[in-house]
Order: sequence, then structure tokens, then C-alpha cells
Amino acid sequence: DAGITQSPRHKVTETGTPVTLRCHQTENHRYMYWYRQDPGHGLRLIHYSYGVKDTDKGEVSDGYSVSRSKTEDFLLTLESATSSQTSVYFCAISPGQASYEQYFGPGTRLTVT
Amino acid sequence: AQSVSQHNHHVILSEAASLELGCNYSYGGTVNLFWYVQYPGQHLQLLLKYFSGDPLVKGIKGFEAEFIKSKFSFNLRKPSVQWSDTAEYFCAVNLYNTNAGKSTFGDGTTLTVKP
Repeated sequence: DAGITQSPRHKVTETGTPVTLRCHQTENHRYMYWYRQDPGHGLRLIHYSYGVKDTDKGEVSDGYSVSRSKTEDFLLTLESATSSQTSVYFCAISPGQASYEQYFGPGTRLTVT
Repeated sequence: AQSVSQHNHHVILSEAASLELGCNYSYGGTVNLFWYVQYPGQHLQLLLKYFSGDPLVKGIKGFEAEFIKSKFSFNLRKPSVQWSDTAEYFCAVNLYNTNAGKSTFGDGTTLTVKP
């Protein structure tokens, strides 16, 4: 398995609180991604990064921000969590060329009450 | 924007039955195609991929998929499923000339194999 860890693995938080999820890789891959997985919606891209300090929005970026200060770490922040952000969040990494697959982390289950 | 459609949301089969899961994408250019599998409680992992050459690709655990360019399809097949194949299956597409290797995923197909 690719060296990807996510923390925390489970979190319960209250509406309106900030939450930060961390993705850490040991593969030195350039590209990192954050997805959310919801029943009936598959995986939807939130944000991605193509290098240190280089990030861009995905299809469901509203309410989320990201930062990447080191190659190995990609942080996802919910500035003010809402119940609609209850989901399972997956981080993925890739060398970045279109023919390369993505490697996924174990996921973080976030519940916003 | 490209999209990926997986026709079957939930498939239930008995062990030893044959499997075919449909995947169609909407993009006229060159694409790279993937099937991922997610076993219960686990993360996604690659089953197989196509990016050039023989349109019939073979993956792990006896799975294969055929790329039919004229039909914009990349269906997944297995001749004889096992109970351990119970999982969710995702088709994904990368545009050949896209930056950052971004993938568009289908909504997934849940496969339940009855022993």
C-alpha cells in the first residue's frame, strides 16, 4: 500500500466549529487530492494540489479550504462545519500524469451534529 | 465537463455467476480509464486501468475490462464472482491532456455476492 495516512480517522464535531483534517504521504508524489464520499454520489473532488503552495478548487469546494506547506502534507479545513459536511473524506496522491492511477488514504469519517 | 455514468447502482449475484458492470463517459478526446474497488470499510484501490494499446485489459483478482471507443464505454467483467468480491466498484476517467491527473468518478456500483 502507498504510504498515505489521514488523521483523525473519526471525528464528531458541532455545527459552526472549525475542523482540520490532515493527509500525510511518504511517496513524494507531486499531486494530492481531497474527496468526499457520500452515498449515491460516488467520490467528489473538493480541492487538489499540484505542488507546495499550489492548490486549486474541485467540483465541491464551497465551505472548504486547503493548504500545502510541505510536499508530504495536505490539510483540509472546514472553516465553520455544517451538517451537510457530514461525510467520509478521502485523501489521494498521484505522480500526476493522466495515465497514473490515484492512491487513496484510509479515510476520515466526519460527523457534524 | 466530462461525466461518468455507471448504470447499475446495486447488483446482487450468486457465487459463480458472471459479472458485467457498465461504465460510460462523456468526452470526445483521448481518455485514460480506471476501475477502482472499495471493500467494506476500506479505501479505494485500483483494479485495472487502460491508457493505450490493447483495449481489453486485465486486472487483479480475475477482473477484466474492455474499452470500446465508439461506445464511450469501459465495462468491467468477471466470469465467475466470489463472495469476497462483495464491494463497491467505481469507474473513473482522466482526460489525456489534463493537468494534475484529475479523475472524474462515477457514482459507484455496489456488488453483493451471495454465498
